[in-house]
Amino acid sequence: AQSVSQHNHHVILSEAASLELGCNYSYGGTVNLFWYVQYPGQHLQLLLKYFSGDPLVKGIKGFEAEFIKSKFSFNLRKPSVQWSDTAEYFCAVLSGGYNKLIFGAGTRLAVHP
Amino acid sequence: DGGITQSPKYLFRKEGQNVTLSCEQNLNHDAMYWYRQDPGQGLRLIYYSQIVNDFQKGDIAEGYSVSREKKESFPLTVTSAQKNPTAFYLCASTGGANTGELFFGEGSRLTVL
Repeated sequence: AQSVSQHNHHVILSEAASLELGCNYSYGGTVNLFWYVQYPGQHLQLLLKYFSGDPLVKGIKGFEAEFIKSKFSFNLRKPSVQWSDTAEYFCAVLSGGYNKLIFGAGTRLAVHP
Repeated sequence: DGGITQSPKYLFRKEGQNVTLSCEQNLNHDAMYWYRQDPGQGLRLIYYSQIVNDFQKGDIAEGYSVSREKKESFPLTVTSAQKNPTAFYLCASTGGANTGELFFGEGSRLTVL
């Protein structure tokens, strides 16, 4: 069965620091990968996705992620975080059909002014 | 505004009682999903439905039941057979063919006393 690992459960940064959140998946074939974000008090929403093509994908609010097939990784990055990026971030992989997503455990990011 | 509405936001129940969580969407989406979110475990799929009058078990369906009598509605019943029901429950929907892009509601937090 497919699985997703997020190694950083809690990350604390100061504003303007760079961010990289790790995500590794288990499946070795064709994968479709996602990052979702849950801001405090808001619903979970899609940040970015990778289906094929350029392994560097850009999402909303200046986030990007790089798909590295040889490392089974899809790490999320942002060059300079803001206080408003405080949220919980979930990596996910599409598991078969029917839009079934397998989520990682999530990473709570706290950005201090 | 189009979206997904979950109710109630907070719910308390005594052990041994069944409880039903409501999920309504006006996005005209065919597919709907129920996820359970626990701290440190991410989101786990309970049930999903691709079309009216049809639904399938997800990864943790034991102790839960659903129905899909209308396109816009997908209620979840947490039965007394669910051993650890205290959790945050998220409903989602999508109209895309295996795009992995789910639209989530704001969630319902169930606490069993």
